[in-house]
Amino acid sequence: GAGVSQTPSNKVTEKGKYVELRCDPISGHTALYWYRQSLGQGPEFLIYFQGTGAADDSGLPNDRFFAVRPEGSVSTLKIQRTERGDSAVYLCASSLSSGGRTDTQYFGPGTRLTVL
Amino acid sequence: AQKITQTQPGMFVQEKEAVTLDCTYDTSDQSYGLFWYKQPSSGEMIFLIYQGSYDEQNATEGRYSLNFQKARKSANLVISASQLGDSAMYFCAMKTGRRALTFGSGTRLQVQP
Repeated sequence: GAGVSQTPSNKVTEKGKYVELRCDPISGHTALYWYRQSLGQGPEFLIYFQGTGAADDSGLPNDRFFAVRPEGSVSTLKIQRTERGDSAVYLCASSLSSGGRTDTQYFGPGTRLTVL
Repeated sequence: AQKITQTQPGMFVQEKEAVTLDCTYDTSDQSYGLFWYKQPSSGEMIFLIYQGSYDEQNATEGRYSLNFQKARKSANLVISASQLGDSAMYFCAMKTGRRALTFGSGTRLQVQP
């Protein structure tokens, strides 16, 4: 079966612009996670969804970042008024559920965002 | 708060030899899961192995095994019979309850022919 897919694979934008990053999880996976990975570091949690609702958005750095998952499948991470510090790889992961420690998360290939 | 520490920024190993990548963790939760992921230069995070905090035996998956020492709060990854394709970044991560994964800073492994 298909894994997690993310589009676009690369996005170059100018400071101050708005961007949308898309994640298509593994079919049947109810939990979806967004992480951000800066160069040379491990991924850092941004937000996760259980179904359609954001179960935990404590990792979002500020109110310029927002994410939705309106039908409980595809999710879009939205960044307003981009800044150069937003440049990173944005990773999406999904798991069968988020209920408990054993649900393995499977990652997509990431979107590399560059803000000029 | 959850924390993962990987103290080896880089490691070298000769092809066909075994290598141990270190990971220590900190949590006040009694129930948690520990994961190792591989990230090749292509960028995708590949799940390797999982260990639960209540598992009595060390996890194994093919050439990967996890040396779990609960009292020391360590969860080292052992790769046996290293192959050139094992060259990558390796991340240790922890999950408690309904929270997301907390990752360490990673170890870059280079396998030399």
